[in-house]
Amino acid sequence: GENVEQHPSTLSVQEGDSAVIKCTYSDSASNYFPWYKQELGKRPQLIIDIRSNVGEKKDQRIAVTLNKTAKHFSLHITETQPEDSAVYFCAASLGGSEKLVFGKGTKLTVNP
Amino acid sequence: ETGVTQSPTHLIKTRGQQVTLRCSSQSGHNTVSWYQQALGQGPQFIFQYYREEENGRGNFPPRFSGLQFPNYSSELNVNALELDDSALYLCATPAGGNTGELFFGEGSRLTVL
Repeated sequence: GENVEQHPSTLSVQEGDSAVIKCTYSDSASNYFPWYKQELGKRPQLIIDIRSNVGEKKDQRIAVTLNKTAKHFSLHITETQPEDSAVYFCAASLGGSEKLVFGKGTKLTVNP
Repeated sequence: ETGVTQSPTHLIKTRGQQVTLRCSSQSGHNTVSWYQQALGQGPQFIFQYYREEENGRGNFPPRFSGLQFPNYSSELNVNALELDDSALYLCATPAGGNTGELFFGEGSRLTVL
């Protein structure tokens, strides 16, 4: 079955710096790769996603890149702010289905 | 934004007991998925229901079962609770617009003692 590996598990940056989180997946049939942000005690919320027919997508300070050949995708956050502090999860679809396999999460801390 | 309501928000059970968790979607989606999120882990897919039928299941034993009703609300039932069942249980529905996005409810936090 699908397996999603996420690194690093914790990441601490200074406000204004960039943060990069990387994920790899195993199922070559996966075609949808969302990133979720989860604040303490809250539900996961989608921040950006990418489909397999696109190599890069950007939304203001957040960007995601996808390398289908290498089966890895990354989240890039620029000009980090303290409110970016949270746990971030990558996920990959099970084949072309709506079912998602999640990574174990990255706890991002942005220090003022 | 699609409203997904889960109940109860928190509950405590003891080993061997049974629990029922509930989920309803404001927009009445015909697809609902349940995920288990253990502390410090990512959500794990339990199963999905589409038009009242189970439509895919993750690596969970049969004591995890579900229902979807004609109004598309849903239940997750767990029998013979074990300590490792302690987790946040999340219900999710498609956000709409064929985007692929899943919208999660706030979850039900289950503690098994």
